Amino acid sequence: RKEVEQDPGPFNVPEGATVAFNCTYSNSASQSFFWYRQDCRKEPKLLMSVYSSGNEDGRFTAQLNRASQYISLLIRDSKLSDSATYLCVVNVHGRALTFGSGTRLQVQP
Amino acid sequence: EAGVVQSPRYKIIEKKQPVAFWCNPISGHNTLYWYLQNLGQGPELLIRYENEEAVDDSQLPKDRFSAERLKGVDSTLKIQPAELGDSAVYLCASSSPEKLAGQETQYFGPGTRLLVL
Repeated sequence: RKEVEQDPGPFNVPEGATVAFNCTYSNSASQSFFWYRQDCRKEPKLLMSVYSSGNEDGRFTAQLNRASQYISLLIRDSKLSDSATYLCVVNVHGRALTFGSGTRLQVQP
Repeated sequence: EAGVVQSPRYKIIEKKQPVAFWCNPISGHNTLYWYLQNLGQGPELLIRYENEEAVDDSQLPKDRFSAERLKGVDSTLKIQPAELGDSAVYLCASSSPEKLAGQETQYFGPGTRLLVL
């Protein structure tokens, strides 16, 4: 079983739609959580950190449920430019990041 | 500010040949990572350096892979000999210490796409 599990998708949604991704992690010692975005044939880039109380950055909302060991990302009012792969990432302090396989999002006009 | 620089961007070699990748991290970043990314997968750590010291190389296939970061700045990853299954994207990343442990942002380079024929 992978340490970080994500639905690979693809999620095909129309512009303006709201879409949500979940991921689960297996290591209960995980302490930091992130969402990274990776465009096709590009490197991953940090989208946002995920905090226990939940946090929002514009159209993006991230939530963490430590008891159930899952993380979510909500994208409101989807734009064509949101089309990418979204990588769920967890970290045990003192170790390198552990990446999920990613969820592919395709926003259609 | 310049980002993480990697070269070459693309490399095609025949199996059993050696290959080397080079990475120059963001200035001032003392932590450097090498990741391998296969198609449809997330990056997987190969090795992590704190300055010139390899602090985590548990996932590095040491029979054919080697890495060095002699002066604690740029780094080289080598494969010798390459196998067909080594075809992947090799990503380098760097980060600097943050006040809150575990919240370091990793900045990735563009990667080297390796194709082994």
